[in-house]
Amino acid sequence: GAVVSQHPSWVICKSGTSVKIECRSLDFQATTMFWYRQFPKQSLMLMATSNEGSKATYEQGVEKDKFLINHASLTLSTLTVTSAHPEDSSFYICSARDRIGGATDTQYFGPGTRLTVL
Amino acid sequence: GEDVEQSLFLSVREGDSSVINCTYTDSSSTYLYWYKQEPGAGLQLLTYIFSNMDMKQDQRLTVLLNKKDKHLSLRIADTQTGDSAIYFCAEVAGGYQKVTFGTGTKLQVIP
Repeated sequence: GAVVSQHPSWVICKSGTSVKIECRSLDFQATTMFWYRQFPKQSLMLMATSNEGSKATYEQGVEKDKFLINHASLTLSTLTVTSAHPEDSSFYICSARDRIGGATDTQYFGPGTRLTVL
Repeated sequence: GEDVEQSLFLSVREGDSSVINCTYTDSSSTYLYWYKQEPGAGLQLLTYIFSNMDMKQDQRLTVLLNKKDKHLSLRIADTQTGDSAIYFCAEVAGGYQKVTFGTGTKLQVIP
C-alpha cells in the first residue's frame, strides 16, 4: 500500500528556534498534501492544504507566516514552524493524496511528528 | 460548517462486539472514512464507505451509513485487545474534497 513518511518523528527545541518537518510519499506521487495538528486527547485539525508547485491554502486561524509550507516536488512537502513557542508543542501529522486518485481519492497519513518546545 | 461528533469513550470485553457511532452535518458528503490511531502513532485507514452505500463489510469490520439521519457506525466483531485505540470517523465533502474529522472515540478492550 501507499506509504507516507515523516521526519523527524520527535523533535525537542528551544523557544524561539525554527523547526522543519518533512513529509514524503514513498511509493506514489502526491499532487496534494495536507498538514494536521493534534493536541492531546483531541481530534485532528487541518492546518493547510499544499499543492505541488503552488502556495499552500491555510485554514482560518492558522498563521501562514508562522507555519511555512513548501511543496516543491510531487513526493515532498515541508512544514517549518518558525520561532517556535511552547504553545506550538503538538503532534503534527501530514497526509498525501495519490495523484492517480482512484475511486476513493484516499489520503494516506504519515506517522506524525511530535514537537516539544521548551 | 461541517461538524462531526463521536462519543469519547467505549469499553468492551474481549470477544464482544464494539459499535462506535458518528454523526455528521454536511449532507454533501461524498464518502466517509474510519481511521484507527494507536498510542503515539499516526492514523491508519481502516475502511471507507461511499455516501450512496448503506453498508460495507470488511472481515471483522462492518460500516453502516444512515444518510437520512447523517449517522455512521463502525462495528468490530470479536473485539481483541489489539483493537484498543482511538477511532476517528471522517467525512469528505464539497468540491474541495475537504476532510473533517470527528472528535475520536477511545476504545478500551478489557481482557
